[in-house]
Amino acid sequence: GQQLNQSPQSMFIQEGEDVSMNCTSSSIFNTWLWYKQDPGEGPVLLIALYKAGELTSNGRLTAQFGITRKDSFLNISASIPSDVGIYFCAGQLTTGGFKTIFGAGTRLFVKA
Amino acid sequence: DAGVIQSPRHEVTEMGQEVTLRCKPISGHNSLFWYRQTMMRGLELLIYFNNNVPIDDSGMPEDRFSAKMPNASFSTLKIQPSEPRDSAVYFCASSPMGGSSEQYFGPGTRLTVT
Repeated sequence: GQQLNQSPQSMFIQEGEDVSMNCTSSSIFNTWLWYKQDPGEGPVLLIALYKAGELTSNGRLTAQFGITRKDSFLNISASIPSDVGIYFCAGQLTTGGFKTIFGAGTRLFVKA
Repeated sequence: DAGVIQSPRHEVTEMGQEVTLRCKPISGHNSLFWYRQTMMRGLELLIYFNNNVPIDDSGMPEDRFSAKMPNASFSTLKIQPSEPRDSAVYFCASSPMGGSSEQYFGPGTRLTVT
């Protein structure tokens, strides 16, 4: 079946540093999504990308939809302690339904 | 506005018992998704509905699992009989406008089967 490879699995960084994480797939998706999950809560949508090559920002977050439609990355600039959490990428097929495949997540730890 | 509501938030039950998880989607949303999250398998889509109709249930692990959506404001996920390997956090999510990409997740139900 379809799978997403998300890397890195975890990151330990200092407050103020920039962060980059990415997802790759052997399959083409026509939507890429990035979520953040805090402990004990459900994932919250950060950025949605709908077009190959699209670059979208949400505050300190920037995400890009790879030109091949098989990858995406998320950057966080000037990290702060509240950025701690698990970040998930998700690929979505929107033809014939809205099946969503999630990556395994990147655990981000920020040291103040 | 109220987000997706799930109940119960925590459920502990013995193997063999029936478990029913409940979800109320965001008002006006017409797509609903059930996910399971475990450390080993991450977030897995179990089933989703559009306009109360099940569209894709290929993620439902086995016949012990069933899901219904009798109306636009309520859905259930039932496990009968439950097994220890069903222990996980179960999330419900909803989307507006026929299943757009923006899925809004509930807080989840943490299920423990002993």
